[in-house]
Amino acid sequence: SAVISQKPSRDICQRGTSLTIQCQVDSQVTMMFWYRQQPGQSLTLIATANQGSEATYESGFVIDKFPISRPNLTFSTLTVSNMSPEDSSIYLCSVGGVSDTEAFFGQGTRLTVV
Amino acid sequence: AQSVTQLGSHVSVSEGALVLLRCNYSSSVPPYLFWYVQYPNQGLQLLLKYTTGATLVKGINGFEAEFKKSETSFHLTKPSAHMSDAAEYFCALGGGTASKLTFGTGTRLQVTL
Repeated sequence: SAVISQKPSRDICQRGTSLTIQCQVDSQVTMMFWYRQQPGQSLTLIATANQGSEATYESGFVIDKFPISRPNLTFSTLTVSNMSPEDSSIYLCSVGGVSDTEAFFGQGTRLTVV
Repeated sequence: AQSVTQLGSHVSVSEGALVLLRCNYSSSVPPYLFWYVQYPNQGLQLLLKYTTGATLVKGINGFEAEFKKSETSFHLTKPSAHMSDAAEYFCALGGGTASKLTFGTGTRLQVTL
């Protein structure tokens, strides 16, 4: 199994500002995934972060709004840029297991934009 | 393209009654299927998974699900509901992988006395 730590666990931010969310894994993983869960909604994949290459974004998500860093095999950051109230969501980091039979999720970052 | 459909955004059952949460999927490759539970203000917890092998899978807390390829379904069941089962349940699909998932819209389970 993998243990994932996300920071911060929650934050309240002013519109127009940016927030960087950190994701730390206790083991080396090739791919890390960032999801968004809007209030009362399901999880939507934002992007896949590979170490040493640009992140791959899903339809509807762009790098300028959600820049991602992946400096090594255990760490990634997601930045939510120029925030608006519509960005209020839970953001979750996820990794796959070694045998790729299970995904592991962080506890999430609950973001409120005011 | 992959997709997951969960029928019923809200399901209410009496304590002790059968729980049935429905999930249908569409995938062009052999699917990996998962059920996750999310309690209020908490993260996702894996209930059970199907990757290969036995089509009837048992999970935690007395839940089980059966993979039916012919029906493209992976319904979640529990013989007897408990008050502590009240939560949001998500069905998720991986296209030949457990890492990158497509989630259904979720089903909120309410358990009444």
